Formats: sequence, C-alpha cells, structure tokens
Amino acid sequence: QSVLTQPPSVSGAPGQRVTISCTGNSSNIGAGYDVHWYQQLPGIAPRLLIYGNSIRPSGVPDRFSGSKSGTSASLAITGLQAEDEADYYCQSYDSSLSGHWVFGGGTKLTVL
Amino acid sequence: QITLKESGPTLVKPTQTLTLTCIFSGFSFNTSRVGVGWIRQPPGKALEWLALIYWNDEKRYSPSLKSRLTITKDTSKNQVVLTMTNLDPVDTATYYCAHEGFYYGSGSYDNWGQGTLVTVSS
Repeated sequence: QSVLTQPPSVSGAPGQRVTISCTGNSSNIGAGYDVHWYQQLPGIAPRLLIYGNSIRPSGVPDRFSGSKSGTSASLAITGLQAEDEADYYCQSYDSSLSGHWVFGGGTKLTVL
Repeated sequence: QITLKESGPTLVKPTQTLTLTCIFSGFSFNTSRVGVGWIRQPPGKALEWLALIYWNDEKRYSPSLKSRLTITKDTSKNQVVLTMTNLDPVDTATYYCAHEGFYYGSGSYDNWGQGTLVTVSS
C-alpha cells in the first residue's frame, strides 16, 4: 500500500485526453516536494516523463504534461496514441521516518 | 551518454544475502551532486524505492528495509553495490539501478539500467 495513491487503470480512445491522478498527504506532495512521473512499457525499465512537477526532459513529447496542487498531482496525456499504452508511476519525497522517496501504486493506461 | 547495468545472482535461497552490482558510464562520483539509486519491482507489481548513494557518500534507505540494506560505492570502478540480507520469497523482483538527474536531491531518475531479475526460492 503506497502513500501515493493512483487509480489502478484509466482508458481513452486515440486522440483523446486522459489524466492520471496521484494523491499524497502533508508529508510528501502537500509538504511541497516535487512530483515526478514515469512511463513503463511492458518488460522494460521505466522512462522519466516529467520531473519537478511539470518539466519535460529532452525528447518527451509535449503531449505529456504534469501539474501539482495541494496534496495531489496529475499527469495529462493529450492526443492519445496506441504507443502510450503503458503503466504510469508518480514519485515524490516523503519526510516521515527520516525521509525517503516513494512511488505510487501505478496506473495502467489502456488505449481503446 | 549515460549507461547503467546491474549484475548479480538470478536465484537466491531464503535467508541468504543478495549482492547486486551496478556498473555505470557517462558520469562519475568525482563530480559533485551525482547520485545513484536502487529501485525494485516484484513481478506484476509497482516500483519500490530502496536506496540511494551520493558522490559525498551520503546514503539514504527505505525505512521499511533499512535494517537489511547496505549501499556502497567504488568511485574508481564506477560501481555501486547494494547488499540485502535475510532474503525472503517476497523479495523476488527485478532490481534496477538508476542515475539521479537534474538536481541534487531530486530523486528523479533520468537513466535506468535494464534491470536484473532476482528470484528467491529454495
């Protein structure tokens, strides 16, 4: 059970916009710590999509965007494509228990 | 270009100790603010952050596993080693090492190894 809560699954048709939420608490997201997002295609290592809440690393399409408000963060994907079907994870720092990083439970995105 | 690669045993018996090595290139612990972390993923389950070591030998551990983990580095060999004691079948997972990117303490991993699957079974 992760301290960062994500919906187990979301879906959308090609071309649509989907959002994935990541809900934390006052020890992590709500304390102002940055949220990062990863995409994991089946059988391969995760890929960093968003860091620092809303910054895209070089090479990540601008269809992906991140935001944060209060104790939650969101990843939005516009112009959904078949190759976006993957698992998505949020990550943040948690100040409890001497401080450590935590991942969300992951969200499976299905492109219909 | 940054690359990382994990190595270690694929099968470990319960109660044994696991030693994993991450060999990297494209960066060095001689540079300030460099960090390398370990993350694992049980089959079909979510990512779990384990540990992180910085260029200055600062170390951070997952609170739930802290008593069982040790992370060290060998700057001259561009290596990071993770040791986990008293293995249990629930520790069966793919173990990844990854480079912390963008800024010191970000916890964001911009380059990952391919991962190594470790199975704990008698």
